[in-house]
Amino acid sequence: GQQLNQSPQSMFIQEGEDVSMNCTSSSIFNTWLWYKQDPGEGPVLLIALYKAGELTSNGRLTAQFGITRKDSFLNISASIPSDVGIYFCAGPPGTYKYIFGTGTRLKVLA
Amino acid sequence: DGGITQSPKYLFRKEGQNVTLSCEQNLNHDAMYWYRQDPGQGLRLIYYSQIVNDFQKGDIAEGYSVSREKKESFPLTVTSAQKNPTAFYLCASSGARLQPQHFGDGTRLSIL
Repeated sequence: GQQLNQSPQSMFIQEGEDVSMNCTSSSIFNTWLWYKQDPGEGPVLLIALYKAGELTSNGRLTAQFGITRKDSFLNISASIPSDVGIYFCAGPPGTYKYIFGTGTRLKVLA
Repeated sequence: DGGITQSPKYLFRKEGQNVTLSCEQNLNHDAMYWYRQDPGQGLRLIYYSQIVNDFQKGDIAEGYSVSREKKESFPLTVTSAQKNPTAFYLCASSGARLQPQHFGDGTRLSIL
């Protein structure tokens, strides 16, 4: 099945640094979702985007719906140790389901 | 509090055995989904249901079966036909078509 491409696959950063990651699709989406998954738990919804060009924040997290509608970006400012986890993007290729990216694994060095 | 409950948290299967994973939601959501997650990989859709008594195969339905007899419940059976069942299974629900999905905490299935 189709999957979304996320970049980078993994990253190590120092506490306090800003983080950027992106997600690209071969299809146009009308919605982009960003989730975070902690080890051994289910993904938790961070941000939902519904309009091309939309910029939405949730605390230190900011996500953008790309103008081409084929990509989305997530930024984390001033990272802290609890930001560790896997970040997934998701988008709907059709009308009944979402597909998920392969994830960006974030590790924060204190 | 409203949410999605998956049980058990850990499950072990013997060769040739069918096992059933439970998923219950009290969010009054119409749609429910089952995903499989393997180490280092994203989520792959097994089955989904948009309404009671109706469900559709996802991308990797072979070796799995589901039922949707009640709005709140969407159990997944991993049959003996699934030759590589060891994985982390996630259940999700959404209020309507293409609304964001909310996930349970998963069931980790292993082979004895």
